[in-house]
Amino acid sequence: EAQVTQNPRYLITVTGKKLTVTCSQNMNHEYMSWYRQDPGLGLRQIYYSMNVEVTDKGDVPEGYKVSRKEKRNFPLILESPSPNQTSLYFCASSSGTGGNQPQHFGDGTRLSIL
Amino acid sequence: AQSVAQPEDQVNVAEGNPLTVKCTYSVSGNPYLFWYVQYPNRGLQFLLKYITGDNLVKGSYGFEAEFNKSQTSFHLKKPSALVSDSALYFCAVRDMGTYKYIFGTGTRLKVLA
Repeated sequence: EAQVTQNPRYLITVTGKKLTVTCSQNMNHEYMSWYRQDPGLGLRQIYYSMNVEVTDKGDVPEGYKVSRKEKRNFPLILESPSPNQTSLYFCASSSGTGGNQPQHFGDGTRLSIL
Repeated sequence: AQSVAQPEDQVNVAEGNPLTVKCTYSVSGNPYLFWYVQYPNRGLQFLLKYITGDNLVKGSYGFEAEFNKSQTSFHLKKPSALVSDSALYFCAVRDMGTYKYIFGTGTRLKVLA
């Protein structure tokens, strides 16, 4: 089954404790992206990747890191999490880089930073 | 700067009535436009897209959207709403210069039995 898998689905942690949210897709998609969803703000793009070893900032990249060492994986790293990073996070992927293909989304990771 | 606006936080409609969820956009160049739906505790699901061609685009679950270049709008429509259509709907545009995606703030659709 074609899917985007995120782990963990839920995480409660404390300020400053490094964490990684994993994302994996099994569709051989070139484009992958991370978003955060906050009430009243919709989805905002954090980082995206056009292909292996090619990443770029979205609209809200501060406090986050990403890497794309393999085509299928695109982890999101919070090196020193803060309470304002409490949010619902989504990973997504799409085929090609032309922008005319829809994104496939994971089921989300709910992060609480205390 | 590219932007997407969904002017209504919530839309209520009676089951069986037509529904419209509004979206306007601001982009340079020709837009790639998308509608997604989100059900509780799930990721977004693709409904339909406009890339080029006919202004009326048909998508999943009986939804359609009309692209209007002069009004820079891409409203989502359905002729007859179902209670199961109740969900959160997002409009999105692809920034053709930077490869970013810009999403609207979402519209909650409530279909009343």
